[in-house]
Amino acid sequence: KQEVTQIPAALSVPEGENLVLNCSFTDSAIYNLQWFRQDPGKGLTSLLLIQSSQREQTSGRLNASLDKSSGRSTLYIAASQPGDSATYLCATRRDNFNKFYFGSGTKLNVKP
Amino acid sequence: EAGVAQSPRYKIIEKRQSVAFWCNPISGHATLYWYQQILGQGPKLLIQFQNNGVVDDSQLPKDRFSAERLKGVDSTLKIQPAKLEDSAVYLCASSLILGETQYFGPGTRLLVL
Repeated sequence: KQEVTQIPAALSVPEGENLVLNCSFTDSAIYNLQWFRQDPGKGLTSLLLIQSSQREQTSGRLNASLDKSSGRSTLYIAASQPGDSATYLCATRRDNFNKFYFGSGTKLNVKP
Repeated sequence: EAGVAQSPRYKIIEKRQSVAFWCNPISGHATLYWYQQILGQGPKLLIQFQNNGVVDDSQLPKDRFSAERLKGVDSTLKIQPAKLEDSAVYLCASSLILGETQYFGPGTRLLVL
């Protein structure tokens, strides 16, 4: 069974700082990996999806990388803003129809 | 385009009571998912429907949890009887077809006392 781990569980940074969130998984036979954002009292919003054949994906100030062989993914946030404060979750899938396996998330606080 | 709707948003019950949650997916979405998210953990899939058929319910505690999607549109998730460990946020999501992007509702926060 896939185990997904996210470290750290919480992170507090000053506004403007660049930061990296980490995600590791035990089974490298993944179909894709997805990063989500969760705001309090709201559902999950998809940020970036990386297919198993890809190394990275970029959207605005966000860049996600994937190293299947080492079972790791990182989410890089450039020039952080208070509006980036949320919980960030990563999730993997074994195939396109398989369930998501979620990490427990990293709670990010960006201080003004 | 309206998003995934869920009700109620909050529910407090005592253990051994019953509770039901409702989800209305995005119009036209064939696939519907129910997740349980315990505080400090990531969401865990409970059940997945394709139209009104069950695709995956391997992680649904079937002795107390049940779910239905009778007409292939909205869905209800029921817990009977509830236990303290059922306290969690129950998230509903839908996708156009199986494997496509999932859109999540705001969730129902359940507290079992």
